[in-house]
Amino acid sequence: GENVGLHLPTLSVQEGDNSIINCAYSNSASDYFIWYKQESGKGPQFIIDIRSNMDKRQGQRVTVLLNKTVKHLSLQIAATQPGDSAVYFCAENPEAGKLIFGQGTTLQVKP
Amino acid sequence: DAGVIQSPRHEVTEMGQEVTLRCKPISGHDYLFWYRQTMMRGLELLIYFNNNVPIDDSGMPEDRFSAKMPNASFSTLKIQPSEPRDSAVYFCASSLRLDRFLGSYNSPLHFGNGTRLTVT
Repeated sequence: GENVGLHLPTLSVQEGDNSIINCAYSNSASDYFIWYKQESGKGPQFIIDIRSNMDKRQGQRVTVLLNKTVKHLSLQIAATQPGDSAVYFCAENPEAGKLIFGQGTTLQVKP
Repeated sequence: DAGVIQSPRHEVTEMGQEVTLRCKPISGHDYLFWYRQTMMRGLELLIYFNNNVPIDDSGMPEDRFSAKMPNASFSTLKIQPSEPRDSAVYFCASSLRLDRFLGSYNSPLHFGNGTRLTVT
């Protein structure tokens, strides 16, 4: 499944499928980006980060893609599991000390 | 490491009362941040400290809000007097350090589990 932009805040996927969560950031001066996962009743949890001198970074089952030309960030989750159900936030760092969060996308994984 | 520890987890108070939220950052982290999360506004940065010194408090809503960091292992966020519109989840986060050359993070923020504040 794919979430196009922030106008679709909920993404529903079947267990085992790949998920793609998109994020448009606003400040061209941002040079560091982070994806966070937030489960109910908990604080945001770090997933993966990327610097602006890269366009792709891979972790365990997750990949972040950065397109600076269009100021777009995406998080890909391979073989989505029920435990991946959460709200996902992208965050950009436009200046020292500032981390600006997007509105978040809810990922629902259907068994 | 125990992570960032916040207390209380839940706070219910009446309008006009003073509220104090507490945070213990991860040991060794020298940056501490206070965020507020609401459905309408998402995650908003209120204030952050470096080496116990407030660096940027431009996100603090108004004079009713104040934050202190008396030492490297403790910070408070105080609201006096509290109002119903202050109801939100307040998060504390800490970071190892910022990259002073790039002006950006070289380690991500680590968040506590938040304090859910309800002002009636």
